[in-house]
Amino acid sequence: DTAVSQTPKYLVTQMGNDKSIKCEQNLGHDTMYWYKQDSKKFLKIMFSYNNKELIINETVPNRFSPKSPDKAHLNLHINSLELGDSAVYFCASSQNVGTLGVEQYFGPGTRLTVT
Amino acid sequence: GNSVTQMEGPVTLSEEAFLTINCTYTATGYPSLFWYVQYPGEGLQLLLKATKADDKGSNKGFEATYRKETTSFHLEKGSVQVSDSAVYFCALPAYNQGGKLIFGQGTELSVKP
Repeated sequence: DTAVSQTPKYLVTQMGNDKSIKCEQNLGHDTMYWYKQDSKKFLKIMFSYNNKELIINETVPNRFSPKSPDKAHLNLHINSLELGDSAVYFCASSQNVGTLGVEQYFGPGTRLTVT
Repeated sequence: GNSVTQMEGPVTLSEEAFLTINCTYTATGYPSLFWYVQYPGEGLQLLLKATKADDKGSNKGFEATYRKETTSFHLEKGSVQVSDSAVYFCALPAYNQGGKLIFGQGTELSVKP
């Protein structure tokens, strides 16, 4: 009965490769997010989708491309991986956007290591 | 824009000690405020929240009060346990930016037996 799940949990790959991370939520939420957490635990949003529509696209290299095939899924594809992409990537979801803020539910994270 | 500042860690306490982790914010309007916790090797979990001024959020013995006068949302616990060892994040939504949450830098707490 996992609420937000991500695969894989660990991803080790070489520079220049292309990889994808998948996220699924079974909470019936409308909005999904991708965050990046660096080695100092700093969290920064990358993208957000609401009902399959992109609503947040932070300053992220265009090697990163999110795709939302339906409301329950948000995948992250990364082309031409670089050393600096090594981080933990978290998927999250929320019921709706809300101007005053609603809680977000996070997945367990995908630790990406680029060698 | 909205922002949050959190006290730096790491914080090391003995079991049963009192915990305070400071969080101050700047915001347009009165957004909800959140504390999230990240246990080692896991994702973030919502610990508590407050939706308006003077609200007190509480969960698992942790408390935080939404203080408009001091623009603060400090996290407190009267008696910490080893199992509370984790990284704690204060957060608030960015103003009118589609649900985006802004997180503090995180405070790592280590509780020794």
